[in-house]
Amino acid sequence: DTAVSQTPKYLVTQMGNDKSIKCEQNLGHDTMYWYKQDSKKFLKIMFSYNNKELIINETVPNRFSPKSPDKAHLNLHINSLELGDSAVYFCASSQTGTSGVPFFGPGTRLTVL
Amino acid sequence: AQSVAQPEDQVNVAEGNPLTVKCTYSVSGNPYLFWYVQYPNRGLQFLLKYITGDNLVKGSYGFEAEFNKSQTSFHLKKPSALVSDSALYFCAVRDMGGSQGNLIFGKGTKLSVKP
Repeated sequence: DTAVSQTPKYLVTQMGNDKSIKCEQNLGHDTMYWYKQDSKKFLKIMFSYNNKELIINETVPNRFSPKSPDKAHLNLHINSLELGDSAVYFCASSQTGTSGVPFFGPGTRLTVL
Repeated sequence: AQSVAQPEDQVNVAEGNPLTVKCTYSVSGNPYLFWYVQYPNRGLQFLLKYITGDNLVKGSYGFEAEFNKSQTSFHLKKPSALVSDSALYFCAVRDMGGSQGNLIFGKGTKLSVKP
């Protein structure tokens, strides 16, 4: 299936731990994104990245870092997890350009205890 | 700065009736507008987009949206609602201030269709 996939689907961890969420797309897109959806369902961009440029939303703590081993992957690393990091994290990808439609992964529900 | 507003937290419709989910936008320049749907515990599914051209855009699952430049609106519509349309709907605008054009989302509108 052509899609955007994320692992794991659920992640439960303790405060202070470091965790990663993986994202892969097989749509041949050249831009990938990470979005955060909070408990009120608000969606906010965290990062957008293509092979030329990483754009970071200035409100994202530097404990969050994206890493892209290749064009098809954009993983999210989170250090020193805090309670407020609990949310659903969505990966997405699109072709660069005004008409490119972002396609979203199924989400990773992160719960920090 | 680009933004979208969804003025209704929830819309309630009887099955078989027409539905409208409202969205207004604020952009500098031409707007690039999108609608997505999110079912419970699922990711966002693309419904339709407006880039340029006809003001009435047809999308997936029988949905359409009407672009109105004078009212800066992009309302989502469907002639006959189904119970299975019950979900959370997001309007979004492309952020043209950055080079990669990520989407800026409204707060979402919960659509409830009753039998």
